[in-house]
Amino acid sequence: AQTVTQSQPEMSVQEAETVTLSCTYDTSESDYYLFWYKQPPSRQMILVIRQEAYKQQNATENRFSVNFQKAAKSFSLKISDSQLGDAAMYFCAQAGANSKLTFGKGITLSVRP
Amino acid sequence: KAGVTQTPRYLIKTRGQQVTLSCSPISGHRSVSWYQQTPGQGLQFLFEYFSETQRNKGNFPGRFSGRQFSNSRSEMNVSTLELGDSALYLCASSLGGRPETQYFGPGTRLLVL
Repeated sequence: AQTVTQSQPEMSVQEAETVTLSCTYDTSESDYYLFWYKQPPSRQMILVIRQEAYKQQNATENRFSVNFQKAAKSFSLKISDSQLGDAAMYFCAQAGANSKLTFGKGITLSVRP
Repeated sequence: KAGVTQTPRYLIKTRGQQVTLSCSPISGHRSVSWYQQTPGQGLQFLFEYFSETQRNKGNFPGRFSGRQFSNSRSEMNVSTLELGDSALYLCASSLGGRPETQYFGPGTRLLVL
């Protein structure tokens, strides 16, 4: 069975600062993807970044980057130069061979102006 | 390319009624997955359809069913609604690989009274 754990329910960051959101996962599969999704108050689930497990290089998308530690089964998201629009709920998720997404409980990120 | 669309966006039903939700995937995507999001249980996988066949199923009672049409559009049906079915129902589409990146629609908010 796959599990995804986000242990911090809330975090806060000052505008323009950097914040890191933590996630750990567990799987017995060798081929899987990891994701961070953002869910703003509109409730639309937006893909932030994807990491393929077979890739050693950490994924980056503009201000968003991940720290993928495969052996430790850790997958954290770093947001640089935080903006007010980054305030949302962030979900860590994993997809394996059965294609379904397994989500963590999410973390609410607030951005202080 | 247009994103995933879901209709209706909001729905109010009473206990015992049934409801049908619709999802149109991104053009070219052949897989549609459905998820239920509630404050208590978080995001839970309902089922996935690929090329008109149910390919994967979560742990939900038989009152929850779905289907997919030849144009990849999908419908989800819930019969004999219960108060606990009140939730945000999210649909996601992908190309159909395993694993694969899933892109979400805006969701349907269902309230059961």
